[in-house]
Amino acid sequence: DIQMTQSPSSLSASVGDRVTITCRASQSISSLLNWYQQKPGKAPKLLIYAASSLESGVPSRFSGSGSGTDFTLTITGLQPEDFATYYCQQSYTTPYTFGRGTKLEI
Amino acid sequence: QITLKESGPTLVKPTQTLTLTCTFSGFSLSTSGVGVGWIRQPPGKALEWVALIYGNGDKRYSSSLKSRLTITEDTSKNQVFLIMTNMDPLDTATYYCTHSGSSSIYGMDVWGQGTTVTVSS
Repeated sequence: DIQMTQSPSSLSASVGDRVTITCRASQSISSLLNWYQQKPGKAPKLLIYAASSLESGVPSRFSGSGSGTDFTLTITGLQPEDFATYYCQQSYTTPYTFGRGTKLEI
Repeated sequence: QITLKESGPTLVKPTQTLTLTCTFSGFSLSTSGVGVGWIRQPPGKALEWVALIYGNGDKRYSSSLKSRLTITEDTSKNQVFLIMTNMDPLDTATYYCTHSGSSSIYGMDVWGQGTTVTVSS
């Protein structure tokens, strides 16, 4: 199975900050990397697919980049509603493994 | 509008078999590349990919759970079923049903609300 390593596991930031979360795959996954946001008690929401494509309806302050094994999710100008847990997931080959998550806190 | 809703028992005993149902609307599993999957999340822990089925009969499973899992579908009723045998307290989790298109390479774009399953005697 492909292992997905996310860092950091938690991150403190303030409204208006720019933050970056990284995700590393144990082997090349081309650009088949997705990012999800999950708020407490809610189902995850797809933010970014194929490493850098913004899902419909997702604010443009979210962006993704990377290919091969190294990927980043960047949030520019944090808003109060962005404080949540973020997961990366590879869709290169099944099983479609997730990272362990990054909790973004105030 | 695509929607999915999970249903099933909230409490099962160790060694029992769990059957979860995902009832969906707004798409057809018969459409090429469309998949319905299951993701689970133990309390306070990370998401875990569990299984996936396509309308062409292609089924994929978690490596660690494969021996205990069966995913099936009833296309006529717009339902997908996840069957997990020999339940253990470590299987206590919220189980989510998901939709994906394009053979899942672009992620799971719609999720159900989740159903919580507790395994306890």
